[in-house]
Amino acid sequence: DQQVKQNSPSLSVQEGRISILNCDYTNSMFDYFLWYKKYPAEGPTFLISISSIKDKNEDGRFTVFLNKSAKHLSLHIVPSQPGDSAVYFCAASADSNYKLTFGKGTLLTVNP
Amino acid sequence: EAQVTQNPRYLITVTGKKLTVTCSQNMNHEYMSWYRQDPGLGLRQIYYSMNVEVTDKGDVPEGYKVSRKEKRNFPLILESPSPNQTSLYFCASSLGAGGPYEQYFGPGTRLTVT
Repeated sequence: DQQVKQNSPSLSVQEGRISILNCDYTNSMFDYFLWYKKYPAEGPTFLISISSIKDKNEDGRFTVFLNKSAKHLSLHIVPSQPGDSAVYFCAASADSNYKLTFGKGTLLTVNP
Repeated sequence: EAQVTQNPRYLITVTGKKLTVTCSQNMNHEYMSWYRQDPGLGLRQIYYSMNVEVTDKGDVPEGYKVSRKEKRNFPLILESPSPNQTSLYFCASSLGAGGPYEQYFGPGTRLTVT
């Protein structure tokens, strides 16, 4: 049973436009959500996170929105740049355990 | 430089031949973890360790062993590798477990079992 779902395997956007990556979860015990970015031949790197007590967190061009009632979060990248082209993983954790559950990832391609 | 290192980076082996993938971090992190990445399946947690001598199963622990005898090292052991363990493996570490603690990942080990 997949607890963190990224239903779009890929997304293509034009440079300068907004990229919106979506993530849904099923476990209501999740209380912290993180986004990681992964380039080919490298390990994932942390991008941004949000606690369940918030509905928005912003860091430069990256903003994560959390809708707890819908069990949905999204990552917005504005403006998108070609260097943002990577696989983006959504991840979630629950305070009650120490596991981190990842989604399958979304490949973002930003075209110049 | 703060980092997580893994060795080897690439490994081709045969079914049943025991192997160990090493992982080391220099950030004095309490928490360490192993993941495997497979096409269409994303990252799945194999084992994690809260501290020295404290380990627990992740989502896909079958066929793997770990040990945490020192804080900085967290080796992954495949006692009898099988072809379905062909995968890309990542070690990660973080200051604490869960919550806001971001995990730092190693560069990955690509394992092929024939």
